[in-house]
Amino acid sequence: GAVVSQHPSWVICKSGTSVKIECRSLDFQATTMFWYRQFPKQSLMLMATSNEGSKATYEQGVEKDKFLINHASLTLSTLTVTSAHPEDSSFYICSAREGGLGETQYFGPGTRLLVL
Amino acid sequence: GIQVEQSPPDLILQEGANSTLRCNFSDSVNNLQWFHQNPWGQLINLFYIPSGTKQNGRLSATTVATERYSLLYISSSQTTDSGVYFCAVLLFNDYKLSFGAGTTVTVRA
Repeated sequence: GAVVSQHPSWVICKSGTSVKIECRSLDFQATTMFWYRQFPKQSLMLMATSNEGSKATYEQGVEKDKFLINHASLTLSTLTVTSAHPEDSSFYICSAREGGLGETQYFGPGTRLLVL
Repeated sequence: GIQVEQSPPDLILQEGANSTLRCNFSDSVNNLQWFHQNPWGQLINLFYIPSGTKQNGRLSATTVATERYSLLYISSSQTTDSGVYFCAVLLFNDYKLSFGAGTTVTVRA
């Protein structure tokens, strides 16, 4: 149980285009989903938190208009990188939590984005 | 915010060796998780261990909440144990995990 999927696993795009990444909880309803970014040889950095049906909460320094998050249902959250540039190239990971505070987070396999 | 420090930053092991990874945190926590990030980037939940001791096969973990540290033990290491091990903590009344910098483990055959 507690499986989180992400799609796509790899994406290469041209500078200026937008890229959408999907995060799904496959066998549980996720009250909260989280989006992280990880650069090579570094730890995970939280970008934003989303609750189903409400606006995402972004961490300080993360551009809301750049990284659009939609948590449309209890099993799906999407991250759209708008007008991507080479510096947006990174490993994006989502996680999902079923219950309330203190509950375990389960992580997706990640999406590698390369912007040329 | 809470500080999460992991040591050592890097660890090279010969197959079959045992090792201990440490995670220190600067405040009382509601939750502590250990993860293994494999070479493909997937984060795998190892333990949910806000306190006490747990074992799962060759891995075990102990968290001493009153002293604000957790230990992850790897016994009889195998090459498949290679990767980065992260400790992450959750404060009371919070929903955001704070990650340590990780320990990179390389197990050589």
